Amino acid sequence: AQSVTQLGSHVSVSEGALVLLRCNYSSSVPPYLFWYVQYPNQGLQLLLKYTSAATLVKGINGFEAEFKKSETSFHLTKPSAHMSDAAEYFCAVTRNGNQFYFGTGTSLTVIP
Amino acid sequence: SQTIHQWPATLVQPVGSPLSLECTVEGTSNPNLYWYRQAAGRGLQLLFYSVGIGQISSEVPQNLSASRPQDRQFILSSKKLLLSDSGFYLCAWGQRDEQYFGPGTRLTVT
Repeated sequence: AQSVTQLGSHVSVSEGALVLLRCNYSSSVPPYLFWYVQYPNQGLQLLLKYTSAATLVKGINGFEAEFKKSETSFHLTKPSAHMSDAAEYFCAVTRNGNQFYFGTGTSLTVIP
Repeated sequence: SQTIHQWPATLVQPVGSPLSLECTVEGTSNPNLYWYRQAAGRGLQLLFYSVGIGQISSEVPQNLSASRPQDRQFILSSKKLLLSDSGFYLCAWGQRDEQYFGPGTRLTVT
C-alpha cells in the first residue's frame, strides 16, 4: 500500500526564514512524489514532482524538494519565506499514475 | 491549454436531498478524471477515479456515486445527502503522472 505522512499539521516561520515541510512516504516500489499548494477556497496547484530523475527537484515559487530513498523522505524547502507562501501544502504519492494518495496537509503561517 | 471547470462553486443542501456536482475538462482528450473530498483538517480523500467513459473506480464505500457520460465530463451524485457529506469537493484531471485540480465546490449539508 502507498501512503504519505506529513509531520506537523501547522508550521510557522518568520518572513525571510527557511521553510521546511516534512513528508515521508511508504511504498513498496519507487514512487512518483508530488508537492501541491492550496490557497483558501481554491483547488490545488502543483509545486513540483519527483519522477525518478534527479533527486533534487526544483519547483515554482522558489521551492525545492529532495528525494531520499534511504530515509523514505521528500521534504519541501524554501530558503527564504515570503508572506505569499502562507497556504496549505500537500504531499502526494502515486505508483501507477491512476491513484494518487495525499497527506493530511501542513498549514504554513508566515510571520511578518 | 487545458482548463477544468467545476460548478457550482458553493452549495447548501438539506439532509436527505439529492446532489449533483459537475466537472468538465477542456483542451485534452481521454484524461483520467478524479473526485476528491477535503474535510476540515483531514487532507484529501480520493472518492472516485475514471480512466475512460463509463469506467468508474470507487475508493471508499459511501452514499455517493460518480458517472462519466462523456470523455471530458465527470459527475458526482447522491440520492440522499448526509450531514457527513459536507466538505470541499475537488475534481481533477490527469495524464501520465500528473494531476491538475479544479477550483472546487464547497458543500454544506444542513
